[in-house]
Amino acid sequence: DIQMTQSPSSLSASVGDRVTITCRASQDITTYLAWFQQKPGKAPKSLIYAASNLQSGVPSRFSGSGSGTDFTLTISSLQPEDFATYFCQQYKTYPITFGQGTRLDIK
Amino acid sequence: QLQLQESGPGLVKPSETLSLTCAVSDGSITSRSFSWAWIRQPPGKGLEWIATISYGGNTYYNPSLESRVTISADTSKKVFSLSLNSVTAADTAVYYCARQPQGRIKVLRGVVDFTPNYFDIWGLGTLVTVSS
Repeated sequence: DIQMTQSPSSLSASVGDRVTITCRASQDITTYLAWFQQKPGKAPKSLIYAASNLQSGVPSRFSGSGSGTDFTLTISSLQPEDFATYFCQQYKTYPITFGQGTRLDIK
Repeated sequence: QLQLQESGPGLVKPSETLSLTCAVSDGSITSRSFSWAWIRQPPGKGLEWIATISYGGNTYYNPSLESRVTISADTSKKVFSLSLNSVTAADTAVYYCARQPQGRIKVLRGVVDFTPNYFDIWGLGTLVTVSS
């Protein structure tokens, strides 16, 4: 199985900050990488697919980059509604696997 | 806007079978453009993909659960389902159904197969507790 490792596991930041979350794959997944946002008690919401493609309706302050084994999710200017947990997911091969999540809290 | 709605018992006894259904609000379950999946999340933990069924009925399972899991679809009723047998407390989780845009087609020795894809739409999830 392809292991996905996110860092950091948790992060505190303020409204207006620029935040970067990293996801590393245990082997080359080219750009078969997606990012999700999850708020407490809610279903995950798709943000980015193919490493850098924004889902329809997702604010442009979210961006993704990377290829191969190293990927980043960047939020350019944090808004109050962005405080949530973020997951990455690889879909290069089955079984599909997820990162363990990065919890983003208000500082 | 497509909606997915999970349904099933919230409490299952150990060693019994967990059965869930996901209702697809529009007709896209019959579309060649999508596959359908189950994912779970134990309380306070991360996400675990369980299974996917593609258009045409190809099924894909997480090897960690494959011996106990079956995914199926009934397009006439616009639902797909999950069955997980011999459950234990470790199977306690929120279970999500989700849609996957169809993956790339692979043909090997005349057999059509699909690569995986991300999940673009998720249901709200249903908590299933395994306890006596």
